Amino acid sequence: DAGITQSPRHKVTETGTPVTLRCHQTENHRYMYWYRQDPGHGLRLIHYSYGVKDTDKGEVSDGYSVSRSKTEDFLLTLESATSSQTSVYFCAISHPQGPGYTFGSGTRLTVV
Amino acid sequence: AQSVAQPEDQVNVAEGNPLTVKCTYSVSGNPYLFWYVQYPNRGLQFLLKYITGDNLVKGSYGFEAEFNKSQTSFHLKKPSALVSDSALYFCAVRDTGNTPLVFGKGTRLSVIA
Repeated sequence: DAGITQSPRHKVTETGTPVTLRCHQTENHRYMYWYRQDPGHGLRLIHYSYGVKDTDKGEVSDGYSVSRSKTEDFLLTLESATSSQTSVYFCAISHPQGPGYTFGSGTRLTVV
Repeated sequence: AQSVAQPEDQVNVAEGNPLTVKCTYSVSGNPYLFWYVQYPNRGLQFLLKYITGDNLVKGSYGFEAEFNKSQTSFHLKKPSALVSDSALYFCAVRDTGNTPLVFGKGTRLSVIA
């Protein structure tokens, strides 16, 4: 979707290294979310943000941290990547009206 | 806490036949219900939503869903399936305007020509 972009699209990293994923929006929406998608689990919430410097944990937040220093950017950091964090990561922004969420195209992360 | 169940991992249907993808939910208040579709190597795309009003909701690509409060269900339907409808479908729920969406595990729909 043109209003939300994720980078990188693909990444392979080694166990124990830090990794940061970026979500950028041009919609000026207050709420942003990070989910991970795994087979058999659907989408699970990692962290979300309800404003600049305002964040909260989701269902699967262990091993992840986030930062939101500007409205348009929401960063997800894996402090020390593990193989269990191999997944597809989706960022989403929330519309007060309309389609609920608009999703980014995802980041496929492989931890080897 | 809210939750969503999609009881079928896979649904197979012949092209031209009607299709149903099931979803049941649990919330403490009034539900906001959504269906999203995911095509291979893509993000999720919005199909339709129920917030309030008419129990039958019409959405994109000819899909519709029926909200049933007594059965806590929000099944996705289409009168005549197309091969191009083959994809992964997610039901999602939240109980207020800004709590995060909770997603089901997804149902893979396969439409066979």
